[in-house]
Amino acid sequence: DIQMTQSPSTLSASVGDRVTITCRASQSISSWLAWYQQKPGKAPNLLIYKSSTLESGVSSRFSGSRSGTEFTLTISSLQPDDSATYYCHQFHSYPFTFGPGTKVDIK
Amino acid sequence: QVQLVQSGAEVKRPGASVKVSCKASGYTFSSFYMHWVRQAPGQGLEWMGIINPRGGSTAYAQKFQGRLTLTTDTSTSTVYMELSSLTSEDTAVYYCGRTYIVEVPAAPNYWGQGTLVTVSS
Repeated sequence: DIQMTQSPSTLSASVGDRVTITCRASQSISSWLAWYQQKPGKAPNLLIYKSSTLESGVSSRFSGSRSGTEFTLTISSLQPDDSATYYCHQFHSYPFTFGPGTKVDIK
Repeated sequence: QVQLVQSGAEVKRPGASVKVSCKASGYTFSSFYMHWVRQAPGQGLEWMGIINPRGGSTAYAQKFQGRLTLTTDTSTSTVYMELSSLTSEDTAVYYCGRTYIVEVPAAPNYWGQGTLVTVSS
């Protein structure tokens, strides 16, 4: 199975800060990676797919990039509504897998 | 608009089975794969499996092999998730999720509201 790791596991940042979350795959997944935002009691919300394509309706403050097996989600200017847990998800090969999540708090 | 409506909360005894439904509307049902993902209390997302409504082919996480069954009823645009031999470790919210693109097993972008399954004696 392809293992996904994320760092950091939690982060606290101020409104307006640039925030970066990293996800690493244990083997090549090409660009078959998605990022989700999840708030308590809610289903996940797709932000980015195919590593860097912004889902329709998602704020342009969110962006994704890839370097080999390392993927990055960037929030360009953190807003209060961005307080949530963020997950990466590989859909390159079965079984698909999720990263453990990164909890983002607002200072 | 795309909607996925799941069946209601369930309480089961250890050793029992549970069957959760996910009724789709607002799109061509057979054109999009459907995932099942679960989330135990306070834990992360766990991918369980996927089904192609066109033909019914499935793929499951190894962890659930032998006790997870995904099926579809194309006449009602409904996908079913059945999990057997339940233990307390299966207490979780179960989500169905439709892929973002037709006819390939891609990531989900539409989700059901979630179904809480509680396993308790």
